Amino acid sequence: AQTVTQSQPEMSVQEAETVTLSCTYDTSESDYYLFWYKQPPSRQMILVIRQEAYKQQNATENRFSVNFQKAAKSFSLKISDSQLGDAAMYFCAQLPGEKLTFGQGTILTVHP
Amino acid sequence: DTGVSQNPRHKITKRGQNVTFRCDPISEHNRLYWYRQTLGQGPEFLTYFQNEAQLEKSRLLSDRFSAERPKGSFSTLEIQRTEQGDSAMYLCASSFTADTQYFGPGTRLTVL
Repeated sequence: AQTVTQSQPEMSVQEAETVTLSCTYDTSESDYYLFWYKQPPSRQMILVIRQEAYKQQNATENRFSVNFQKAAKSFSLKISDSQLGDAAMYFCAQLPGEKLTFGQGTILTVHP
Repeated sequence: DTGVSQNPRHKITKRGQNVTFRCDPISEHNRLYWYRQTLGQGPEFLTYFQNEAQLEKSRLLSDRFSAERPKGSFSTLEIQRTEQGDSAMYLCASSFTADTQYFGPGTRLTVL
């Protein structure tokens, strides 16, 4: 079974601070991709960052970086220098094949 | 490059009525996906197309649901004899290669 687990239903961070969102996944495929998507209150799902499973190097996109631990099937998202606009629901997802499987999401609140 | 567009953005209908949603993918994206998202949950895969061919359907897609992509461009998702349990956000995504999906704003369906 393809499952994605986000164990933190809610997280909060002070503006300019750093926060880490956790995710574990489970797939039997050897070739897959992992993603973090952001869904603000307007509900448009926005791609934040992508990781290819065959790459050992952790992906980075500006203030967003991941800690990909393949053996542990762990894929956490670190947001540095948090901004008010980062407030949203964050979904971790895996893609073996064509179907994205999403976690339950983590609501991130950013305090000014 | 315009993004994925979906119409209508909101649809309110009475139980038993038929509804149809439209998705226009990013131009030149040959893959198109439909997902359903209920409140507070991650999206769940419904079906996907590669060009005109519908290649996979989830068990979530009951006989009342049908999706088409007649010319390999836009797609429609029809729900017949709607039920209150069909109330959800219906998300469309597209991709050029199978490794990254870009989402539209979604169609929020409310069945009274």
